Amino acid sequence: DAMVIQNPRYQVTQFGKPVTLSCSQTLNHNVMYWYQQKSSQAPKLLFHYYDKDFNNEADTPDNFQSRRPNTSFCFLDIRSPGLGDAAMYLCATSRDKGTGSYEQYFGPGTRLTVT
Amino acid sequence: AQSVTQLGSHVSVSEGALVLLRCNYSSSVPPYLFWYVQYPNQGLQLLLKYTSAATLVKGINGFEAEFKKSETSFHLTKPSAHMSDAAEYFCAVRGNTGFQKLVFGTGTRLLVSP
Repeated sequence: DAMVIQNPRYQVTQFGKPVTLSCSQTLNHNVMYWYQQKSSQAPKLLFHYYDKDFNNEADTPDNFQSRRPNTSFCFLDIRSPGLGDAAMYLCATSRDKGTGSYEQYFGPGTRLTVT
Repeated sequence: AQSVTQLGSHVSVSEGALVLLRCNYSSSVPPYLFWYVQYPNQGLQLLLKYTSAATLVKGINGFEAEFKKSETSFHLTKPSAHMSDAAEYFCAVRGNTGFQKLVFGTGTRLLVSP
């Protein structure tokens, strides 16, 4: 089945220690998104890639970076995690070419704990 | 700019009762509307979407929603709640011209009691 895969599902890192979360997709969608979701809140968009073009949200801290080496993979790098960065990180994809409703497909998420 | 408002952060129903989760949108043009469900420690799963083809939209797991332009609403309903419906539900809106991001509501947690 075509899907969005996130690894690992659970990640524990130390305060200030860089961490990378990964996302892959078999949907061949051209847009990939990273969201941060804290407890009992809606997902908050951090950035997205439209094809190879990176689009950062205005309020995303510089501590968060992303890479998309090819259509299928996208990475979220947190350079110096703080306790406030503990959250669920969701990757999503959508097909955004021509006409269509462009719904987003979400991965299962990575739960990040910062100790 | 589009926005959605979900009334009620928590809704409690008994098993077998009607489920009604409310969503009102704000948009200057007819938008695309979505309902997503999220189970604990999972990603979001699309329940249904409105794309102007039909005002009554049927989704998965027995859910449906009706787009009412006059009321700017897109409420989610299910005739008979099941224990497995207990989850967080998010309404989301997207403009229908060009590339636009999803704007989520704050979510409604559905609690189902035996």
